Amino acid sequence: RKEVEQDPGPFNVPEGATVAFNCTYSNSASQSFFWYRQDCRKEPKLLMSVYSSGNEDGRFTAQLNRASQYISLLIRDSKLSDSATYLCVVNKDSNSGYALNFGKGTSLLVTP
Amino acid sequence: EAGVAQSPRYKIIEKRQSVAFWCNPISGHATLYWYQQILGQGPKLLIQFQNNGVVDDSQLPKDRFSAERLKGVDSTLKIQPAKLEDSAVYLCASSLVSGGYNYGYTFGSGTRLTVV
Repeated sequence: RKEVEQDPGPFNVPEGATVAFNCTYSNSASQSFFWYRQDCRKEPKLLMSVYSSGNEDGRFTAQLNRASQYISLLIRDSKLSDSATYLCVVNKDSNSGYALNFGKGTSLLVTP
Repeated sequence: EAGVAQSPRYKIIEKRQSVAFWCNPISGHATLYWYQQILGQGPKLLIQFQNNGVVDDSQLPKDRFSAERLKGVDSTLKIQPAKLEDSAVYLCASSLVSGGYNYGYTFGSGTRLTVV
């Protein structure tokens, strides 16, 4: 089983739509969880951290279910500028100095 | 705050040649990482440094890849000899770890390597 697995994508949605991405991770000892965004031919950039209680940043909501080892990202009212690849990220383990494992990413295309 | 600096931005080499990449992390970030990102995949960790010591190099192909961070600040990653499958973007990142929590990475803009 891969350490971080994401929806295969791509997701093509119209502007204004709500879209959800899912991710599962294999290491039950993981402590840090993030969503990164990567634009075409650019480096990944931190979108948001994911906390156990769930957290929201504007149109973006992240949820964590430790029992199911499942992470989600919800984007409401999609904008054209949301088109990018979204990477689910989990720390490797507590003994590795907090290195992060990245999923393959899910591609989102928001169309007019 | 200055970001993570990497050079060169692009490099094209022939297989069996050698190549080196350079990274300067954000000031004060003790932890530095090198990742390899092949087209269509997520970044894969190659090596992690804490100051000038290696924390994790379990996924570094040590027969051809090497990395160092001699003074605990900037770092170089070398490939010798390169193979076609090494074509990828090499990303350097640094992070602030405090109180047992990783506050997330800042990546450099990467070096796009093409091996022909």
